[in-house]
Amino acid sequence: GAGVSQSPSNKVTEKGKDVELRCDPISGHTALYWYRQSLGQGLEFLIYFQGNSAPDKSGLPSDRFSAERTGGSVSTLTIQRTQQEDSAVYLCASSLEARLEQFFGPGTRLTVL
Amino acid sequence: GQNIDQPTEMTATEGAIVQINCTYQTSGFNGLFWYQQHAGEAPTFLSYNVLDGLEEKGRFSSFLSRSKGYSYLLLKELQMKDSASYLCAVRVDNNDMRFGAGTRLTVKP
Repeated sequence: GAGVSQSPSNKVTEKGKDVELRCDPISGHTALYWYRQSLGQGLEFLIYFQGNSAPDKSGLPSDRFSAERTGGSVSTLTIQRTQQEDSAVYLCASSLEARLEQFFGPGTRLTVL
Repeated sequence: GQNIDQPTEMTATEGAIVQINCTYQTSGFNGLFWYQQHAGEAPTFLSYNVLDGLEEKGRFSSFLSRSKGYSYLLLKELQMKDSASYLCAVRVDNNDMRFGAGTRLTVKP
């Protein structure tokens, strides 16, 4: 596609349920980032994938969060046993190489009731 | 720790010049980015500095001093559409990215 796409665009879930968020990066981009942004706040780095290398998981806020990237392309961010504080916009970005500008997707707005 | 500081809010007049400052203290430095984010939208890339000095791109310029841990984004000939949040981001060790909280700029007529 022309840009980074994310699905779903909105997700409302109940506390304690698991959710999966999907990111389709720009074709050919080797680097992929996940961030979350709470209302009126800056971006909080979550995880970074570079090609087929093992991801840097240091930014994940708890062990309820995990992410994978299959075949160096599509990525899914999974949040288990969601909590209300997980409510935020989850943004995915990709870049041709790690050192270059990132292109952001439209985000998934997650609301945990 | 990773600290990236920028003013929370700024106001400027249409047609004027505004400078948004960013200071950082990070573990490693592999480049500094500025992004623009309009309300309800995803961030879009504005500029990238990895060496000291000024990078100019149309009405926007960005400056970096690595020894001082300091950058600024300069916006000239302000337009109403420039009202947005401006995010300073540093690429640190392992190519992780750290963002500041953003500066909300309001341009008034």
